Amino acid sequence: ETGVTQTPRHLVMGMTNKKSLKCEQHLGHNAMYWYKQSAKKPLELMFVYSLEERVENNSVPSRFSPECPNSSHLFLHLHTLQPEDSALYLCASSQTHTPSYEQYFGPGTRLTVT
Amino acid sequence: AQSVTQLGSHVSVSEGALVLLRCNYSSSVPPYLFWYVQYPNQGLQLLLKYTSAATLVKGINGFEAEFKKSETSFHLTKPSAHMSDAAEYFCAVSGYKGGSQGNLIFGKGTKLSVKP
Repeated sequence: ETGVTQTPRHLVMGMTNKKSLKCEQHLGHNAMYWYKQSAKKPLELMFVYSLEERVENNSVPSRFSPECPNSSHLFLHLHTLQPEDSALYLCASSQTHTPSYEQYFGPGTRLTVT
Repeated sequence: AQSVTQLGSHVSVSEGALVLLRCNYSSSVPPYLFWYVQYPNQGLQLLLKYTSAATLVKGINGFEAEFKKSETSFHLTKPSAHMSDAAEYFCAVSGYKGGSQGNLIFGKGTKLSVKP
């Protein structure tokens, strides 16, 4: 595997389910990110981890819970979601959490909440 | 605060025609600027980035962008469009300011259609 991988690629869940999204980066990077991409809205940054510590939490509802067990893996735990949470969830990584370094994105998980 | 405005949510060009996608930014610190492309059902792929080394930046797939500080612009161009260029394009800015340094601020995106 190369780059940034995300599993699953598609997920359908009910509002009472609990599920997790997984992201893995094979680039040796120290920063990882979760974004939400909804139709007709700009990409929304959800969480930032640098050296496995959360450095940003952009007013995301508590039904989204991130976890970064090491610098290569990032999870997004989901519970009691709402239909408006249906979106494409993108994971990204960068060498460090500094402005000059570009972010590399995974293919995303398409989440549908029913 | 930093922000990005992409003029035109949809742009349509004929195959072989010039591609011009507009991006204007707002930043109180020297900006780092990026263009990403997203093909259907895929993540974002970096096309090119500006980090103050040169104002004309060349990227992948024949794209380039010019940083114009006086106009606060970073427009993306390609001399001759190919059918494979049909995708959504995102401009993004970041900069050293406060606690959010390292975060990318994205524009709303421009969908490029290429007609045969």
